[in-house]
Amino acid sequence: QSALAQPPSVSGSPGQSISISCSGTSGDFGNYDFVSWYQQHPGKAPKLILYDVAKRPSDFSSRFSGSKSGNTASLTISGLQAEDEAYYYCASYTSGSTLLFGGGTKLTVL
Amino acid sequence: QVQLVQSGAEVKKPGSSMRVSCQASGGTISNYPISWVRQAPGQGLEWMGGSTPPFVTANYAQKFQGRITITADASATTVYMDLSSLTSEDTAVYYCARGLQLLDYWGQGTLVSVSS
Repeated sequence: QSALAQPPSVSGSPGQSISISCSGTSGDFGNYDFVSWYQQHPGKAPKLILYDVAKRPSDFSSRFSGSKSGNTASLTISGLQAEDEAYYYCASYTSGSTLLFGGGTKLTVL
Repeated sequence: QVQLVQSGAEVKKPGSSMRVSCQASGGTISNYPISWVRQAPGQGLEWMGGSTPPFVTANYAQKFQGRITITADASATTVYMDLSSLTSEDTAVYYCARGLQLLDYWGQGTLVSVSS
C-alpha cells in the first residue's frame, strides 16, 4: 500500500497561512474520518496536532486547522511562526484497519 | 500525563531478530492500544502494526506480515515489538505510540542499526 500523497515541501513567511494536502484512495480513508496530523521537529518524536480530521488536542494551538473533502485532507496553519518550521505527516485509518501515513511535508518559514 | 519509555539503542547483524520494549511511566500500559511506527534515516513515518489490550492479537501492515509480532508481558505492563530476518533496510528509529486510529502519545524512539 503506497503512502498518502503529500507535497514534499511548502514555505511561507511569518504571519502568513499555508496549507498542506494529503491525498489517497477511498480505501485509504475508509468510511471513516480518522485522519490525523503530526508535527515532527528534527531529532524529536512526532507530536499529534489534529485528529478526526479537524479536532485539536487540548494543548495545541488554534492556528492549526484541518479539513477533508472526498479523498483529500488538508492541514492549514495560520499566522505562521518560526517554531512551526518542521515536518508534517498526515495519517489515515484505512478500510483494512491499518494506519497509513503520508510521505511527509517539510515546512520552511522564510 | 502518559509517558511511554522504550528500551535502548541496539546494533544487530543481518539475518538476526530484534525486540524493542515499551512501558508506561508512572502507570500501566494495559488500558490502551499500542502501535509501532518506524522511521528510516532521512525518511518518513511508517506504521508497522498495532494491538489492543490484552495484546493477544494484532493488526500488521502487509509489508511486515510474517516478520513482526507485537506482544505484551503477562501483566500487560510492557509491550514488545519483535522483528525478524533483519536487513540493512530495517535500520531505523522505532517508536511505540498510544492508539490505533490516532497516536496521541509517543515513546522517545529506539535506534536499531543493522550492520555486518
